[in-house]
Amino acid sequence: DSGVTQTPKHLITATGQRVTLRCSPRSGDLSVYWYQQSLDQGLQFLIHYYNGEERAKGNILERFSAQQFPDLHSELNLSSLELGDSALYFCASSGGPPSYNEQFFGPGTRLTVL
Amino acid sequence: AQSVTQLDSQVPVFEEAPVELRCNYSSSVSVYLFWYVQYPNQGLQLLLKYLSGSTLVKGINGFEAEFNKSQTSFHLRKPSVHISDTAEYFCAAITNLKGSNYKLTFGKGTLLTVNP
Repeated sequence: DSGVTQTPKHLITATGQRVTLRCSPRSGDLSVYWYQQSLDQGLQFLIHYYNGEERAKGNILERFSAQQFPDLHSELNLSSLELGDSALYFCASSGGPPSYNEQFFGPGTRLTVL
Repeated sequence: AQSVTQLDSQVPVFEEAPVELRCNYSSSVSVYLFWYVQYPNQGLQLLLKYLSGSTLVKGINGFEAEFNKSQTSFHLRKPSVHISDTAEYFCAAITNLKGSNYKLTFGKGTLLTVNP
């Protein structure tokens, strides 16, 4: 158990819908990273938040957005869903900058878009 | 742009045989390197990491990896595998060492299948 929790574990929805994925970091971790794992693209970095502020964006679509709340949990919002958005979405937490700290991964949320 | 290449998408081996999973990275600057393991229907678990110092890194479950700067490689090895090592293995890198975003760039993964 990494100490990072993600809900829900599975999510099945239809095209055009909007969903919210939730991540609770390990106690004391200030950084949250979101990654997408799909069969065709592999594991890709989406976005990084540190202590409530966005730090970097990766290959994140404009239909996707995220935020980190004062209690440090984070949510990834996916809208106007397409079949190709079906993937496993991971969040990882770490102690954050300025120095490197190990990222601990949650169990993931499996999103299926029908 | 930083990239990580895992040369083998699948590696089948017999139990108790040695295994090497290959990883090459492209970077002209300092880099941190990692190997993660993903068991079926689970998240990613860190096996080992190279940040600096000794180029031979030992990790959990008997795995080790060697950082080779001249060959830009970070191959993962285990002298004798078990059935329970069957999983997907990901090589990853961080290159933005002076910034504040330590995002991981992953390879495509290698599926290690250990047969009895």
